[in-house]
Amino acid sequence: NAGVTQTPKFRVLKTGQSMTLLCAQDMNHEYMYWYRQDPGMGLRLIHYSVGEGTTAKGEVPDGYNVSRLKKQNFLLGLESAAPSQTSVYFCASSYRLAGVQYFGPGTRLLVL
Amino acid sequence: DAKTTQPNSMESNEEEPVHLPCNHSTISGTDYIHWYRQLPSQGPEYVIHGLTSNVNNRMASLAIAEDRKSSTLILHRATLRDAAVYYCILRTLDSGGGADGLTFGKGTHLIIQP
Repeated sequence: NAGVTQTPKFRVLKTGQSMTLLCAQDMNHEYMYWYRQDPGMGLRLIHYSVGEGTTAKGEVPDGYNVSRLKKQNFLLGLESAAPSQTSVYFCASSYRLAGVQYFGPGTRLLVL
Repeated sequence: DAKTTQPNSMESNEEEPVHLPCNHSTISGTDYIHWYRQLPSQGPEYVIHGLTSNVNNRMASLAIAEDRKSSTLILHRATLRDAAVYYCILRTLDSGGGADGLTFGKGTHLIIQP
């Protein structure tokens, strides 16, 4: 099993550009999460999903949208990137509510 | 959410045991104590979790105080590969309708000397 994979690994954007980060998991997990991590900080929850077709806001949802059209994929979109969104983005999945979370390797995003 | 307090950093020697403390004085009865670690340039990795009793797995042991207001993650024989940031996180099965995510603090940066 590949576990949780993220695409792309690294991206540079200009202010105002849009992009989509892809997270895929092959563990048949119901729950998926997007976090961001700024330098020297712990991770913060952006959005999460408790099943296919569902999404919910986390701690820092502004400026991001998500979609969960297929159980194995969770997409994070930035419609108009801002320098404040420069961060490392981690995706995670879990088999149940409050269960162990399995993380992907991260996507490093730089917004100029 | 109940908070946790951890030292910013700790240093240990290779092949010696490491005890990483965590205080959680406002823990509730439904809170599980989870530990994750994050190696450099990687995503967080689950280490261990427990509710009341001490727990052991292949990676570490978790010692929970009788009043549950503190816990200690024990690495029995640290290696250089254990150098990471260790996060102590409280998780409840009853999210009360709130977001089901992990609340990360700054964690403890563990440095292993060869």
